[in-house]
Amino acid sequence: QKEVEQDPGPLSVPEGAIVSLNCTYSNSAFQYFMWYRQYSRKGPELLMYTYSSGNKEDGRFTAQVDKSSKYISLFIRDSQPSDSATYLCAMSARTGGFKTIFGAGTRLFVKA
Amino acid sequence: DTAVSQTPKYLVTQMGNDKSIKCEQNLGHDTMYWYKQDSKKFLKIMFSYNNKELIINETVPNRFSPKSPDKAHLNLHINSLELGDSAVYFCASSQDTRTTHPGELFFGEGSRLTVL
Repeated sequence: QKEVEQDPGPLSVPEGAIVSLNCTYSNSAFQYFMWYRQYSRKGPELLMYTYSSGNKEDGRFTAQVDKSSKYISLFIRDSQPSDSATYLCAMSARTGGFKTIFGAGTRLFVKA
Repeated sequence: DTAVSQTPKYLVTQMGNDKSIKCEQNLGHDTMYWYKQDSKKFLKIMFSYNNKELIINETVPNRFSPKSPDKAHLNLHINSLELGDSAVYFCASSQDTRTTHPGELFFGEGSRLTVL
């Protein structure tokens, strides 16, 4: 079993839809949770960063962490064609320095 | 001004050859990384250096040898290339990870290696 599980998709939605992206994990030591966005032929860029459980909102994006269920989510409201990208969840624990582990990434297509 | 830059962007080579990828960051970060992204987009850490010291060394074949001449540079040399080495290799940097969470990792644009 991988430490971080993420459905690779692809996920195709119409413009304006609410998108829900999710990851599950097995390592209860993970404390820091991130979402990165990767456009085609580019490096990943940090989208959201949360520590421990709870919600965090930034514009159209909301990140949720449920440590009791080992489950994290990213919601995108009013999705736009420019949101079409691969979304990678990432998490890290304080074990001998912080090593960031990534999920497989979910490919999202937002159709105009 | 590119924050994390990698060269070359593309590499096409034959099995058995040796190749190097170079990475430089101008963000003043102490920690640099090499990640490998396979065809299914799975991003896996290979190595991490903090101020020229190796701190993370995942289960990577000995054919892969990282070198950090100073904290702004991290190179990756690969000997005896195999078909399975074909992937995109990303360099990244962050603040010091020894005692605090690095927060954001800043990635380069990747070096796409194709082994024929």
